[in-house]
Amino acid sequence: NAGVTQTPKFQVLKTGQSMTLQCAQDMNHNSMYWYRQDPGMGLRLIYYSASEGTTDKGEVPNGYNVSRLNKREFSLRLESAAPSQTSVYFCASSEFDFRQETQYFGPGTRLLVL
Amino acid sequence: AQSVTQLGSHVSVSEGALVLLRCNYSSSVPPYLFWYVQYPNQGLQLLLKYTTGATLVKGINGFEAEFKKSETSFHLTKPSAHMSDAAEYFCAVSDRWNSGYSTLTFGKGTMLLVSP
Repeated sequence: NAGVTQTPKFQVLKTGQSMTLQCAQDMNHNSMYWYRQDPGMGLRLIYYSASEGTTDKGEVPNGYNVSRLNKREFSLRLESAAPSQTSVYFCASSEFDFRQETQYFGPGTRLLVL
Repeated sequence: AQSVTQLGSHVSVSEGALVLLRCNYSSSVPPYLFWYVQYPNQGLQLLLKYTTGATLVKGINGFEAEFKKSETSFHLTKPSAHMSDAAEYFCAVSDRWNSGYSTLTFGKGTMLLVSP
């Protein structure tokens, strides 16, 4: 099992460009999440999908959109990138969205917006 | 609303010394608590978690943590540090988001530095 995979690993964008970060999991998990990690800030939840067909905003959703394409895949889109979106983005999944569930993280996408 | 405070953005220990990483939380409901570790250029992986039952929780790589409700703490310890323990450690609390779904709230992280 590959677990949670993310593409691309690195990306450089110019302000105003758009891009989509891809995430896939092969653990048959129901719930998936997108976080961003900034120095000294820990991880902050952008969007999550409790189950296929549902998505909801997290703590910092502005400037992002998501699509739960199917049970395996959950993508994050930046429509018009801004320098403030320079960050490391992590996708995670869990079997359910119950409080005791362990989340499994991908290796991250490092994004630089110039 | 839930929150997590990790005391000390950096902790330095010598190899073989005790590791103590501090975590305090606030939660509107009985908390479920987690410690995750992040090695350089990698994603996070679970070290251990507390949900219910025994308050002393053992995890991977010799780490353990004790849930103390009266102190609202969940400190992470390891009796003897190893060079391979050098990483960033995140404490997290699981709570209900406004919509009713559960999500994780992370602390800002503590970087553990281990010197020979």
